Amino acid sequence: AQSVTQLGSHVSVSEGALVLLRCNYSSSVPPYLFWYVQYPNQGLQLLLKYTSAATLVKGINGFEAEFKKSETSFHLTKPSAHMSDAAEYFCAVSEAAGGYQKVTFGIGTKLQVIP
Amino acid sequence: GAVVSQHPSWVICKSGTSVKIECRSLDFQATTMFWYRQFPKQSLMLMATSNEGSKATYEQGVEKDKFLINHASLTLSTLTVTSAHPEDSSFYICSAPQLAGTDTQYFGPGTRLTVL
Repeated sequence: AQSVTQLGSHVSVSEGALVLLRCNYSSSVPPYLFWYVQYPNQGLQLLLKYTSAATLVKGINGFEAEFKKSETSFHLTKPSAHMSDAAEYFCAVSEAAGGYQKVTFGIGTKLQVIP
Repeated sequence: GAVVSQHPSWVICKSGTSVKIECRSLDFQATTMFWYRQFPKQSLMLMATSNEGSKATYEQGVEKDKFLINHASLTLSTLTVTSAHPEDSSFYICSAPQLAGTDTQYFGPGTRLTVL
């Protein structure tokens, strides 16, 4: 069974500082990994995804994540935080199940950006 | 990108009544859609997989008679919460892969259900 662990349910950074949101996964097969962002009372928006191509994945809004198989990690980073980055971020892993991808989400990390 | 809509965006109902939530893929056909539930300050939990033209597949612990799913067409899936109770109050989100078997899912904006 696959699973995702997000370290830190709340992360606070100053505006302009580095953003680092941690995610470790467990999967019995090569995983597909995702980061989603959720703004209050809204659905999820895909930030980026890893699907066995380049290990460094660039996403929207300046975010990127690096797949490290040896560490079973897929941490999300952004060099300089912006106030608009304040939201909840979910790491997710998917595996094929009956012709579709079944997605398992982490518990989420709430990012606070301090002016 | 592909768009998934949900209706209503929020609903308040009395305990014991039933509520229907619609999930539509607006510019693509979705033979499969997924329904998630998100309690406050928690992650999304997959409830069921909705399959066009066949029965839905429910995750362990989800009551199929309470959460009725109908995937009537290639662009519409509905979730009906029957005999709703306050503990059913939650944020319900649907998603759909644009192409069958692909890894990217598109999420609806969610429906906030409050049962009084």
